[in-house]
Amino acid sequence: AQSVTQPDIHITVSEGASLELRCNYSYGATPYLFWYVQSPGQGLQLLLKYFSGDTLVQGIKGFEAEFKRSQSSFNLRKPSVHWSDAAEYFCAVGAQGNTGKLIFGQGTTLQVKP
Amino acid sequence: DAGITQSPRHKVTETGTPVTLRCHQTENHRYMYWYRQDPGHGLRLIHYSYGVKDTDKGEVSDGYSVSRSKTEDFLLTLESATSSQTSVYFCAISGRQGNYEQYFGPGTRLTVT
Repeated sequence: AQSVTQPDIHITVSEGASLELRCNYSYGATPYLFWYVQSPGQGLQLLLKYFSGDTLVQGIKGFEAEFKRSQSSFNLRKPSVHWSDAAEYFCAVGAQGNTGKLIFGQGTTLQVKP
Repeated sequence: DAGITQSPRHKVTETGTPVTLRCHQTENHRYMYWYRQDPGHGLRLIHYSYGVKDTDKGEVSDGYSVSRSKTEDFLLTLESATSSQTSVYFCAISGRQGNYEQYFGPGTRLTVT
């Protein structure tokens, strides 16, 4: 069965430091991959997506992610974290069957220290 | 931002009472989804719709029903609310079949006492 794993439930980084959030998926074919961000009390906002082509994708707010098929990973990165990046981040993969459904990971909560 | 609203935004209800949550979109998107969000579980799909009167179950559909009589509205009903249905409920929309790119509403926090 398809699944998405975000190994880190909670991460704390200092403001200005680099960030990498991990995401691993299980899927037989080339996946559609997404990262969403959720600020406290808000809905989810799409950060970036990978459908095909260049394995390094750029998103909003200075985020990028790299698709690595050999590692079944789609890690999210940012070179320099801002206090406003504190939020919960979700990785998701498109479900098989062309249904438009997404399967989400459990989420990673990012705390930013001043 | 996608034009998606959810109502109510907060609700407290008692065990055994029926509850209906509404999702309204102004984007004329074909696909609509209901998720629940619980700590440690991420988002889990309850039901989804691929057109007016066309709906299907997600992974956690027990105890929930949905209806979609108009493109813009997708209703989620808890026929007899239980404490295990205390959660935050999100609606999402998607425009194209197989596109997978979903846009989310602000959520409804439901507490069942």
